[in-house]
Amino acid sequence: SQKIEQNSEALNIQEGKTATLTCNYTNYSPAYLQWYRQDPGRGPVFLLLIRENEKEKRKERLKVTFDTTLKQSLFHITASQPADSATYLCALSSGGGADGLTFGKGTHLIIQP
Amino acid sequence: DAGVIQSPRHEVTEMGQEVTLRCKPISGHDYLFWYRQTMMRGLELLIYFNNNVPIDDSGMPEDRFSAKMPNASFSTLKIQPSEPRDSAVYFCASSLGPLGVAGYTFGSGTRLTVV
Repeated sequence: SQKIEQNSEALNIQEGKTATLTCNYTNYSPAYLQWYRQDPGRGPVFLLLIRENEKEKRKERLKVTFDTTLKQSLFHITASQPADSATYLCALSSGGGADGLTFGKGTHLIIQP
Repeated sequence: DAGVIQSPRHEVTEMGQEVTLRCKPISGHDYLFWYRQTMMRGLELLIYFNNNVPIDDSGMPEDRFSAKMPNASFSTLKIQPSEPRDSAVYFCASSLGPLGVAGYTFGSGTRLTVV
């Protein structure tokens, strides 16, 4: 069966360090992989998209990698700040047809001052 | 644009009652998605529309759930009759194109509690 796995345990990182979150998937051949941020009581907010033929994407302090051989994406936040504390969700889109995005359950990131 | 607008923000209802959730997507977006989020199951896609036409409702859990999109600026998700296990946060999202290459824009959600 298809699965998207993100670390369900909260990730505690000291302010200023790099936070790295992992998204693993099985039985998918995604055309796109996206990362979202979700704050309590709010809807997910789009951060970055990476295509299957791209290995890395950057946006300001964010970096995403996509390894289709390992079936894994890594999401990095450099120079982390307490304001980066949130739940981060990865989402896959298989492409081909219009099948919507399938989301992982997310990893809760806590940046400690 | 004010973003995707959902109403109500919170809904508490008794088991057996009809519940209607509403969504106004971003103007110009041609896809609209309804998701449900729970701690146990995360975000689940219920149904989506393209140009107001339902494309895939395979995620709708039961016949008690129905969704409509009478025009490009309005969609409803109805649960009739509601049950306690329907308690969750329901999100509406819209996008330009099905794969959301610019991402999906989500509303703030409706927190539904069925007692």
